Amino acid sequence: AQKITQTQPGMFVQEKEAVTLDCTYDTSDPSYGLFWYKQPSSGEMIFLIYQGSYDQQNATEGRYSLNFQKARKSANLVISASQLGDSAMYFCAISSNDYKLSFGAGTTVTVRA
Amino acid sequence: NAGVTQTPKFQVLKTGQSMTLQCAQDMNHEYMSWYRQDPGMGLRLIHYSVGAGITDQGEVPNGYNVSRSTTEDFPLRLLSAAPSQTSVYFCASTRGGVPGSYEQYFGPGTRLTVT
Repeated sequence: AQKITQTQPGMFVQEKEAVTLDCTYDTSDPSYGLFWYKQPSSGEMIFLIYQGSYDQQNATEGRYSLNFQKARKSANLVISASQLGDSAMYFCAISSNDYKLSFGAGTTVTVRA
Repeated sequence: NAGVTQTPKFQVLKTGQSMTLQCAQDMNHEYMSWYRQDPGMGLRLIHYSVGAGITDQGEVPNGYNVSRSTTEDFPLRLLSAAPSQTSVYFCASTRGGVPGSYEQYFGPGTRLTVT
């Protein structure tokens, strides 16, 4: 069984500042993928970034980067230079030896002008 | 590419009614799945399919049925709607290959209310 824990229900960040969203996971599979999705108020699920368990380097995609600490089973998302459009719910998810995704409960980010 | 499409966008049912949520993808993805999202919670897997003719249960399958007769379509059937099935339903697809290596593409969701 896989489990994702996101301990921050809600966060506020000032525009142009960076914010870190916490994600810890639990899996017994040696090979797995970690994903972050964004869900704005309009409701759609938008893929942001992916990290494979065997990837040596932390993933980056534009203003998104993943702070992957395998030994601690942690995969935190860092959003740099926050924009008002970053206000949304963010979900961490894991998939391992099958194609099923297990999601955390999510973190709501509110960017203040 | 339209990606993953879902119909309807909104639906209101009475308790005991049945209906089918439609899902289609035009990316030739082998893997498709259905999730539900309840307030304050992440998405939970209902059913999934690894290819045409193959389906299996996810975390919360009770009260739902699926079939996969083509690669493109993966409908979700509510057999006898209950208020506990009020939720937002997402369909997703991903290509085959190494599991856990590729992102899943989500449809826009169907907001279902059962009264």
